[in-house]
Amino acid sequence: AQSVTQLDSHVSVSEGTPVLLRCNYSSSYSPSLFWYVQHPNKGLQLLLKYTSAATLVKGINGFEAEFKKSETSFHLTKPSAHMSDAAEYFCVVSEGTYKYIFGTGTRLKVLA
Amino acid sequence: GAGVSQSPSNKVTEKGKDVELRCDPISGHTALYWYRQSLGQGLEFLIYFQGNSAPDKSGLPSDRFSAERTGGSVSTLTIQRTQQEDSAVYLCASSFPRSGQLFSGANVLTFGAGSRLTVL
Repeated sequence: AQSVTQLDSHVSVSEGTPVLLRCNYSSSYSPSLFWYVQHPNKGLQLLLKYTSAATLVKGINGFEAEFKKSETSFHLTKPSAHMSDAAEYFCVVSEGTYKYIFGTGTRLKVLA
Repeated sequence: GAGVSQSPSNKVTEKGKDVELRCDPISGHTALYWYRQSLGQGLEFLIYFQGNSAPDKSGLPSDRFSAERTGGSVSTLTIQRTQQEDSAVYLCASSFPRSGQLFSGANVLTFGAGSRLTVL
C-alpha cells in the first residue's frame, strides 16, 4: 500500500535562506510523486512532478525535489526563500492509477 | 474552460439543510475527483469519476453524501441533512488520462479553488 509522510507540520525560515520541506513515501511500485502548493483560500497548484525520469526534478518558482529511492524520500528545496513562498505544501504519491495519497501538509512561514 | 471552476466559493447553511456543490472541470478532462479538506488536515478522497461513471465512491463518509456527473463534464456533490462535522473545504480536481495502460506516470491533477462549507 502506498503512503506519504510529511515530517514537519510547520517550517519557519528567514527570507533569503534555504527551504527544506521533507517527505517520505511508501510504495510497492515505482511511484509518481508530486509537490503541490496551496496559498490561503486558493486551490492546490502543481509545483513539480517525478515520474521515473531524472531523479532531480525542477519545478516552478525555483523549487526542486530529489527522488531518493534508497531513502524513500522526495524532499522539496529552494535555495532562497521569498515572502511569497509562505503557503501550505503537500507531498503526493500515486502508483499510476486514479489513487493519489496526500500528505498532511507542511505550513511554510517566511520571516522578514 | 481555462481552469476548474467551483461554486459556490462559500456556503453557510444551517444544520439539517441540504447543500449542492458544483464543479466544472477543464474541457476534455475525463477524470474528476472530489476531496474534502478539514481544518489542519490533509486531503480526504471522496469520489472519483471517469466520464459519467463513479468507479470508486468509497470515500463518501455516509449515505448523506452523493455525487453525480452529467455529460462527462459538470459534477455536483450533494450533502443531505448537513451536520456540523461536514464543515470543510470541498475541492474538485480534474485530469486527462493518457491513452494506453503502460505506466508512464500518474496524471497531473488540476484543482479548483474549492467550496468552503460552514454548517451552523
